[in-house]
Amino acid sequence: DVKVTQSSRYLVKRTGEKVFLECVQDMDHENMFWYRQDPGLGLRLIYFSYDVKMKEKGDIPEGYSVSREKKERFSLILESASTNQTSMYLCASTTYRVSNQPQHFGDGTRLSIL
Amino acid sequence: GENVEQHPSTLSVQEGDSAVIKCTYSDSASNYFPWYKQELGKRPQLIIDIRSNVGEKKDQRIAVTLNKTAKHFSLHITETQPEDSAVYFCAAHRSGNTPLVFGKGTRLSVIA
Repeated sequence: DVKVTQSSRYLVKRTGEKVFLECVQDMDHENMFWYRQDPGLGLRLIYFSYDVKMKEKGDIPEGYSVSREKKERFSLILESASTNQTSMYLCASTTYRVSNQPQHFGDGTRLSIL
Repeated sequence: GENVEQHPSTLSVQEGDSAVIKCTYSDSASNYFPWYKQELGKRPQLIIDIRSNVGEKKDQRIAVTLNKTAKHFSLHITETQPEDSAVYFCAAHRSGNTPLVFGKGTRLSVIA
């Protein structure tokens, strides 16, 4: 069974801090994704990566960056956290080596910026 | 790019009744349509998916239909139970290294 693990379930940080959210998957998936989830807005894609050291902007990349140094790990970075980045963050992974495969999600990190 | 519209945003049904959630997509090249269920405080989990060469798929009380011509697909839940209460997301995907495009979700409440 696919396992996508996010490093923290809950995180509280202060405005202006640099924040790292970590995600690890154990299925050798080449594609990984970061979403944020807010009430009424669904799942909004921040960044995704289809290979090591590759990254692509999603729909809302402003204020975020990512790092993919190893295939199994995809990190989301808030360069200077702001209160409007308080949200639930979800990581997901999949493979496109076999067509039409679903994404598998982690449990999410609920991030509060004070 | 692809755009997925999902309706309704909220849905309340009596236990035992059926629930239907509808999605439309814009990109005729999309060929894979998964549905996710997200219970409160939990991760979205795949419940059923359909590929563009199939018109309908069933798994016990859950079914999905796809109309490629009209570019819409629907989730049908029969004999609803309280444990079906959750947020449901539809999504569409075209081949290659492109991400799923999600609808905004439907909050289903099953009233006992």
